[in-house]
Amino acid sequence: AQTVTQSQPEMSVQEAETVTLSCTYDTSESNYYLFWYKQPPSRQMILVIRQEAYKQQNATENRFSVNFQKAAKSFSLKISDSQLGDTAMYFCAFMDRVQGGKLIFGQGTELSVKP
Amino acid sequence: DTGVSQDPRHKITKRGQNVTFRCDPISEHNRLYWYRQTLGQGPEFLTYFQNEAQLEKSRLLSDRFSAERPKGSFSTLEIQRTEQGDSAMYLCASSLKEQGPLTGELFFGEGSRLTVL
Repeated sequence: AQTVTQSQPEMSVQEAETVTLSCTYDTSESNYYLFWYKQPPSRQMILVIRQEAYKQQNATENRFSVNFQKAAKSFSLKISDSQLGDTAMYFCAFMDRVQGGKLIFGQGTELSVKP
Repeated sequence: DTGVSQDPRHKITKRGQNVTFRCDPISEHNRLYWYRQTLGQGPEFLTYFQNEAQLEKSRLLSDRFSAERPKGSFSTLEIQRTEQGDSAMYLCASSLKEQGPLTGELFFGEGSRLTVL
């Protein structure tokens, strides 16, 4: 069974600074996706960034980028130039591309961006 | 609005009562998922459908829980004889599964918050 672990329950960062959220996962599969989802307070979860396991190049989306270390089963999210609107719960998630389609989530990291 | 919608957004019930939640996915999406999220935790998978077929059900889901998607469009999640431990946010998500390996992300609704007194 796949597991996803986020070891940082809470983090804070000053506006305009950079922050990195950590995630590790465990799987025996080779064909999978990894995701970071953002859940603002009292709002729906939205996708931040996606990484396909067979791609060596790290995904980037504007101010968001990942450091994907497949051998180490590590998948961290870097947020550059943090903005107040980045305040949210961030969830790392795993998806087996072949067998499933369901997401397996980590416990989440609550990020606070301070002015 | 063409996103995933859930109803009701909030439900307060007494222990032992039955409750039903409805989810309307994005119209062209053939997959629909239910998750449960307790405060401060990540969502836990409950079950998912492809069209009207229920393809997987979590072992976390007791016999008091049942989900349906009778016409492959909207879905309902019913909880019978509710217990205080059922208090949580119930999230619905949808995605499009085409031929071959999965490529699509899951789109989430805002959730239905259940409080069992």
